[in-house]
Amino acid sequence: DAKTTQPNSMESNEEEPVHLPCNHSTISGTDYIHWYRQLPSQGPEYVIHGLTSNVNNRMASLAIAEDRKSSTLILHRATLRDAAVYYCILREYNFNKFYFGSGTKLNVKP
Amino acid sequence: EPEVTQTPSHQVTQMGQEVILRCVPISNHLYFYWYRQILGQKVEFLVSFYNNEISEKSEIFDDQFSVERPDGSNFTLKIRSTKLEDSAMYFCASSGQGLNEKLFFGSGTQLSVL
Repeated sequence: DAKTTQPNSMESNEEEPVHLPCNHSTISGTDYIHWYRQLPSQGPEYVIHGLTSNVNNRMASLAIAEDRKSSTLILHRATLRDAAVYYCILREYNFNKFYFGSGTKLNVKP
Repeated sequence: EPEVTQTPSHQVTQMGQEVILRCVPISNHLYFYWYRQILGQKVEFLVSFYNNEISEKSEIFDDQFSVERPDGSNFTLKIRSTKLEDSAMYFCASSGQGLNEKLFFGSGTQLSVL
């Protein structure tokens, strides 16, 4: 399994930016970097993904290091509804499996 | 937005009984997955399914588990003889074809084995 490592937990203040890091030093050239989040008592939901270039969507931004061995999910203005477990996942070239790591539990303080 | 539908939302069964968990993936998706999450633990991959056959499975997916796409719209997970340790939330997911596709998850079935 392509491995990712993330901090167990992070804390943010409401309406401030949050940078969630992920290390994936064993990434191969064809692996996509995906981020999902799981709100309490819900199924995982897609946040963003990318291959080499930075990506933006309405939920977040994804900054990918030049060597692709790490990435950062950026929530520009955290809200209380963003409190969730955030998972960084590599979609391997053999693409029929996504392995979830332990994720980062984000706590947002009012 | 299209969604993955799972039924039932809760299932209670006796140890040793068979259960079938049902999922309706997004209609034009080609890849289907089952995951499980034991309370307080991480989301674990069980199996992926494409073109009417299993394409990947984890070591959790042993002989007591099976998957089927019986009618072109439903995707089922069968647990033949449930054990206490099978109690978990089971998530179905689907995706389109291609490396650039994302997973869509259902809201899960909470299985309780007594």
